Amino acid sequence: DAKTTQPNSMESNEEEPVHLPCNHSTISGTDYIHWYRQLPSQGPEYVIHGLTSNVNNRMASLAIAEDRKSSTLILHRATLRDAAVYYCILQDSSYKLIFGSGTRLLVRP
Amino acid sequence: DSGVTQTPKHLITATGQRVTLRCSPRSGDLSVYWYQQSLDQGLQFLIQYYNGEERAKGNILERFSAQQFPDLHSELNLSSLELGDSALYFCASSAGPGQSYEQYFGPGTRLTVT
Repeated sequence: DAKTTQPNSMESNEEEPVHLPCNHSTISGTDYIHWYRQLPSQGPEYVIHGLTSNVNNRMASLAIAEDRKSSTLILHRATLRDAAVYYCILQDSSYKLIFGSGTRLLVRP
Repeated sequence: DSGVTQTPKHLITATGQRVTLRCSPRSGDLSVYWYQQSLDQGLQFLIQYYNGEERAKGNILERFSAQQFPDLHSELNLSSLELGDSALYFCASSAGPGQSYEQYFGPGTRLTVT
């Protein structure tokens, strides 16, 4: 299973943009990059995913490096509700999501 | 609310016992996944079903089994329970089995083995 590397924790101020990095140097050509987040006492929540091109949705943007060895999840304006553990996951053709330890995002009011 | 329901919410049982966890996927979703989250192991994929058939297997113990029924709900059976099986068990569903589908997670079942 391909692995991802994320910082253990990051901090942000409310209403400021947040850039959450992820390294995945062993990614294969068919692996999708998925981001999920888990708020306290809840199940994981889908955020965004992509293959090669940058992606935008109502929650966030995903910027994928040209060589696909890294990606960045961008929250355009952090709110207190965005405080969570963010998981960057590579999903291969076996369909399973392999969760790492993720990045704990703290949002300061 | 993800649309995925799991019952029961909490379960307390003794070592050696057997329990069944139930999951109803989002309306229209054909794929169901089971995950285990414990303090020391984090979130681990257990097994996936698509339209009644097993599609992928992860770190699922032989004491555990699952199935997906014709109405697409799924059950995870845990037997000969040990203290180390205490964890949160999440079910997720997606429209299809592939990599381009997002998974929607239920609220989880918290299992405590005493």
